[in-house]
Amino acid sequence: AQSVTQPDIHITVSEGASLELRCNYSYGATPYLFWYVQSPGQGLQLLLKYFSGDTLVQGIKGFEAEFKRSQSSFNLRKPSVHWSDAAEYFCAVGFGGTYKYIFGTGTRLKVLA
Amino acid sequence: DVKVTQSSRYLVKRTGEKVFLECVQDMDHENMFWYRQDPGLGLRLIYFSYDVKMKEKGDIPEGYSVSREKKERFSLILESASTNQTSMYLCASYRVAGRSGYTFGSGTRLTVV
Repeated sequence: AQSVTQPDIHITVSEGASLELRCNYSYGATPYLFWYVQSPGQGLQLLLKYFSGDTLVQGIKGFEAEFKRSQSSFNLRKPSVHWSDAAEYFCAVGFGGTYKYIFGTGTRLKVLA
Repeated sequence: DVKVTQSSRYLVKRTGEKVFLECVQDMDHENMFWYRQDPGLGLRLIYFSYDVKMKEKGDIPEGYSVSREKKERFSLILESASTNQTSMYLCASYRVAGRSGYTFGSGTRLTVV
């Protein structure tokens, strides 16, 4: 069955440090891949997406993600975290011809001053 | 920018009440979705609609129904609210062409007492 895993429930980093959030999926072909961010009490905002082509994708707020087919992964990265990046991050995957995405369970990021 | 508007940010209802959650999008998107979000469980799809008057069950449709009489509006109905339906409800819309990913509303936090 298709699935999405975000193995880290919570991550804490210091402001200015680099960040990597992990996302793995299970599917026989290349899916559509997304990262969303959710600030407290808010809806989800799209950070970046991958459909095809260049496997390194640039998004908003200085985030990037790399699709690695061999590892079935789509990890989110940021070279220098700001205190305003504290939020919950969701990886989402779309499979085949369906428009239904499957969401990971989220990773909550805490940023230390 | 596409806007997805959910009519209420916070709602408190009594057990057994019929509850309507409204969602309106302003960019002629074909697909609309209702998710519920619970800590540790991520986003779970309740229902989605790919056209006016068309709907499909998601992963957790029990206790819910939906209505889509106009393209821009997608309503979630809790026929008889129960305490286990206390949750954050998120509406999203998606345009088939352009592959822009889902656009989410700000969410409705529903408490059933």
